[in-house]
Amino acid sequence: DGGITQSPKYLFRKEGQNVTLSCEQNLNHDAMYWYRQDPGQGLRLIYYSQIVNDFQKGDIAEGYSVSREKKESFPLTVTSAQKNPTAFYLCASGLGQGFIGELFFGEGSRLTVL
Amino acid sequence: SQQGEEDPQALSIQEGENATMNCSYKTSINNLQWYRQNSGRGLVHLILIRSNEREKHSGRLRVTLDTSKKSSSLLITASRAADTASYFCATDNFNKFYFGSGTKLNVKP
Repeated sequence: DGGITQSPKYLFRKEGQNVTLSCEQNLNHDAMYWYRQDPGQGLRLIYYSQIVNDFQKGDIAEGYSVSREKKESFPLTVTSAQKNPTAFYLCASGLGQGFIGELFFGEGSRLTVL
Repeated sequence: SQQGEEDPQALSIQEGENATMNCSYKTSINNLQWYRQNSGRGLVHLILIRSNEREKHSGRLRVTLDTSKKSSSLLITASRAADTASYFCATDNFNKFYFGSGTKLNVKP
């Protein structure tokens, strides 16, 4: 079945460690997005990519990094520079520029810093 | 930021009643979308309304859009316990999607 797969579902990290969250899609979508969600709040855009080998910062990019080497994959690295990384992270994909359509979301990755 | 804001933040109703949620946004948009999120899960798309449309229906869902007031509403008719979830509006500006803070709906059986 087509969709978006995020892994791991739960992740624990010690302070000072970098962690990478995986996001893979087989929907043949050009655009991919990373959002952060804090308890009881909405989604805030971290990074997005409209095409392979290109990505842009969202509203809260500090302390995060991404890569888009393949159309199917958009991993997010939470670096030690991120001051408050404990959150629920959601990856999404869409058709991309020139199209009107919805986003498809993965099931999320919950990161807890110990 | 053109992030939308939903109102109310929380809504509790009885099964069978209608639920109305409102969304306001700040800048011009290409379209506005509504999503649903069950606790601890990803978001699921419900309905999309283009900037040149005023009203759209899908099953028990009715969405309105007023671009002059930069606002939208989502009506769920004849609610069911299974409708219990958080609902978010999202504005699409050239494929950059911004989400509101959400309305948490509780439908009591």
